[in-house]
Amino acid sequence: SQTIHQWPATLVQPVGSPLSLECTVEGTSNPNLYWYRQAAGRGLQLLFYSVGIGQISSEVPQNLSASRPQDRQFILSSKKLLLSDSGFYLCAWSTGTGISGYTFGSGTRLTVV
Amino acid sequence: GQQLNQSPQSMFIQEGEDVSMNCTSSSIFNTWLWYKQDPGEGPVLLIALYKAGELTSNGRLTAQFGITRKDSFLNISASIPSDVGIYFCAKETSGSRLTFGEGTQLTVNP
Repeated sequence: SQTIHQWPATLVQPVGSPLSLECTVEGTSNPNLYWYRQAAGRGLQLLFYSVGIGQISSEVPQNLSASRPQDRQFILSSKKLLLSDSGFYLCAWSTGTGISGYTFGSGTRLTVV
Repeated sequence: GQQLNQSPQSMFIQEGEDVSMNCTSSSIFNTWLWYKQDPGEGPVLLIALYKAGELTSNGRLTAQFGITRKDSFLNISASIPSDVGIYFCAKETSGSRLTFGEGTQLTVNP
């Protein structure tokens, strides 16, 4: 069966520090991968998505970047965090052929202080 | 054109009551999805709708895809405390990307 792993679960980082959040998927090949951010427990904003290794599409301009070094690995990064980067970050995957395969990870709560 | 308007923003109900929430869009689309997010967790798919007019149930949950393909509702019958969470509608845009509504925060008082 397919599983998605996201870590760390919580993170407190000072302003100006770098960031690296990792997401991996098991049990499937060539998944579509997504990074979402959720502020204040409300709507989910799509940040990046990837349909293959090295292929990254950005939805909104921001202080973050994403990379996909391996088929089932998706990384969210920042060189210098801002206070406004605080939020709940969610990784998700889909088969790309059916919406029912859209599955979220358990999320990372990032607090920038 | 891609925004989803979800209402109400929040609901406070007593255990045992029925709940109804809805989502509308200015554009038509082919798929409606309803997700639930428990506190501190990622959203989990509840119901997927693929046809206009489709009515689908999942236990105490019932959702319908509006005939105009621009709206959907989700009903929860006989609510229980574990129904607490945020409920999101979502639709598919190009490239299997999902656009989410702003969510309905449900609180169930025992």
